[in-house]
Amino acid sequence: AQSVTQPDIHITVSEGASLELRCNYSYGATPYLFWYVQSPGQGLQLLLKYFSGDTLVQGIKGFEAEFKRSQSSFNLRKPSVHWSDAAEYFCAVGARTGGYNKLIFGAGTRLAVHP
Amino acid sequence: NAGVMQNPRHLVRRRGQEARLRCSPVKGHSHVYWYRQLPEEGLKFMVYLQKENIIDESGMPKERFSAEFPKEGPSILRIQQVVRGDSAAYFCASSPNTPTDTQYFGPGTRLTVL
Repeated sequence: AQSVTQPDIHITVSEGASLELRCNYSYGATPYLFWYVQSPGQGLQLLLKYFSGDTLVQGIKGFEAEFKRSQSSFNLRKPSVHWSDAAEYFCAVGARTGGYNKLIFGAGTRLAVHP
Repeated sequence: NAGVMQNPRHLVRRRGQEARLRCSPVKGHSHVYWYRQLPEEGLKFMVYLQKENIIDESGMPKERFSAEFPKEGPSILRIQQVVRGDSAAYFCASSPNTPTDTQYFGPGTRLTVL
């Protein structure tokens, strides 16, 4: 069965520190992978996506993610975190069924940033 | 360029009442998805619609829930006889030309059942 695991429920980092959020997926074929960010009380904003090609994907707000097929992972990274990055981050895999893309989300990682 | 619009943003209902949630996709998008986010959880797929057709409703409870996406007008998620367990945030997403395109999410409707 398709699934997404985000092992870290909460992460706290200091402003300016580097960040890595982990995501592991289970999917039979080549996955479509996404990272979304959700600020409190808001909808989801797409940070980046991987469909094919270069396994290192650049996104908005200075984020990047690397697809590692051997590890079934798609970890999100940022070299220097800003206070405005405090939010909840969701990894998702697109389960392509019948030609459409049903997103399966992980439970999310809540990021807190200390000044 | 308006994104996905959802209204109302907040909705309070008493048990047994009906809730109607509206979603206007990005102009030109013909694929709409509904997801539900229970407190402290990730989003769960409910239903996928194209114009006038329900394609996949495998994530939607069999009773009390229905969805439509008419030829004209917004997509509607309807919950009849709401119960406390229906309290959640309901998100709509739309995608453009093909259903495997990126989904763009609306701000959500937060439903509270008293």
